[in-house]
Amino acid sequence: QKEVEQDPGPLSVPEGAIVSLNCTYSNSAFQYFMWYRQYSRKGPELLMYTYSSGNKEDGRFTAQVDKSSKYISLFIRDSQPSDSATYLCAMESDRGSTLGRLYFGRGTQLTVWP
Amino acid sequence: DSGVTQTPKHLITATGQRVTLRCSPRSGDLSVYWYQQSLDQGLQFLIQYYNGEERAKGNILERFSAQQFPDLHSELNLSSLELGDSALYFCASSVGDRLNEQFFGPGTRLTVL
Repeated sequence: QKEVEQDPGPLSVPEGAIVSLNCTYSNSAFQYFMWYRQYSRKGPELLMYTYSSGNKEDGRFTAQVDKSSKYISLFIRDSQPSDSATYLCAMESDRGSTLGRLYFGRGTQLTVWP
Repeated sequence: DSGVTQTPKHLITATGQRVTLRCSPRSGDLSVYWYQQSLDQGLQFLIQYYNGEERAKGNILERFSAQQFPDLHSELNLSSLELGDSALYFCASSVGDRLNEQFFGPGTRLTVL
């Protein structure tokens, strides 16, 4: 079992829809959670960075972390065609020899059509 | 633009050869991370350097090595290349050595023929 699981999709939605992207994980030591957006053949771009459980909002993006369920989500409101990309979740432990390294999900490919 | 630069953008080489990938971190960042992204494995952590010293090691093959220089730029050396080494190689940087936001460069696409 991979430490971070993410449904690869693809996910296709109409412009203006609310998009929900999710990841599950198995390592209870993960404390820091990130969402990256990656356009085709480009480097991942950091969207959201959260610590422990709770919600964080930034414009049209909301990140949620539920540590009790080992489940994180990214919501995109009023989705736009420019949001079409692959979304990667990433996690980091706060202890031990794994400090500093990120564990990534495989990414969910999102297409928002006009 | 993340502020992290990587050269070259593309690299095409043959099996058995050796290549060097270069990364310059964002101004002020002391940590450099190397990741490999392939279709079958996704994004995998290879190695981290902080202020010139190796700090963490991931799934890096013995044929691969890296270093960080006094000016904080880093190089990833890949030797005895195999077809399976074809992938995107990303460098990321952060201010500290842990629990910091990591910013990724545009990547180097390596093709081994």
